[in-house]
Amino acid sequence: EAQVTQNPRYLITVTGKKLTVTCSQNMNHEYMSWYRQDPGLGLRQIYYSMNVEVTDKGDVPEGYKVSRKEKRNFPLILESPSPNQTSLYFCASSAGLAGEVHEQYFGPGTRLTVT
Amino acid sequence: QQPVQSPQAVILREGEDAVINCSSSKALYSVHWYRQKHGEAPVFLMILLKGGEQKGHEKISASFNEKKQQSSLYLTASQLSYSGTYFCGTEFRSWGKLQFGAGTQVVVTP
Repeated sequence: EAQVTQNPRYLITVTGKKLTVTCSQNMNHEYMSWYRQDPGLGLRQIYYSMNVEVTDKGDVPEGYKVSRKEKRNFPLILESPSPNQTSLYFCASSAGLAGEVHEQYFGPGTRLTVT
Repeated sequence: QQPVQSPQAVILREGEDAVINCSSSKALYSVHWYRQKHGEAPVFLMILLKGGEQKGHEKISASFNEKKQQSSLYLTASQLSYSGTYFCGTEFRSWGKLQFGAGTQVVVTP
């Protein structure tokens, strides 16, 4: 089954404790992206990747890191989480043919709470 | 700058029509439309490219007005399954950077 998986689905952590949210897709997609969703603000792009070893900042990259060492995986790293990073996070992937973003498939989401 | 969606919310009776607008202050390359049901991930509806044609998905269609930098999503003869929050995402160039609006909540009642 074609899918995007994220782990963990729920996470409660404390300020400053490094964490990683994993994202994996099995569709051989070139393009992957991370979004955070907060009430009233819609989806805001954190980072995106057009291909392996190619990543770029979205609108809200501060406090986050990503890496794209393999095509299927795109982990989101919070080196020192703060309460303002409490949010619902979505990973998405797309075929991204010819440098264009096509239909994105979203993972189920990770609800992160930082206390 | 995030695109601006209007209205913020709309309540429809089954069978009624609605229009959701998505406006940008910058020249657009493409507009992406997604629907999200409560507690679920967003689901793709359609993409409109600059210079492209109007697209449709069942009884949901959309247009892209390049002069106005605006896209409109048309919900025709709405069904209960159309309830959810609709988001437009905009690209200014084909680089992969997407900006989404705050969403339009649609409630379809029997």
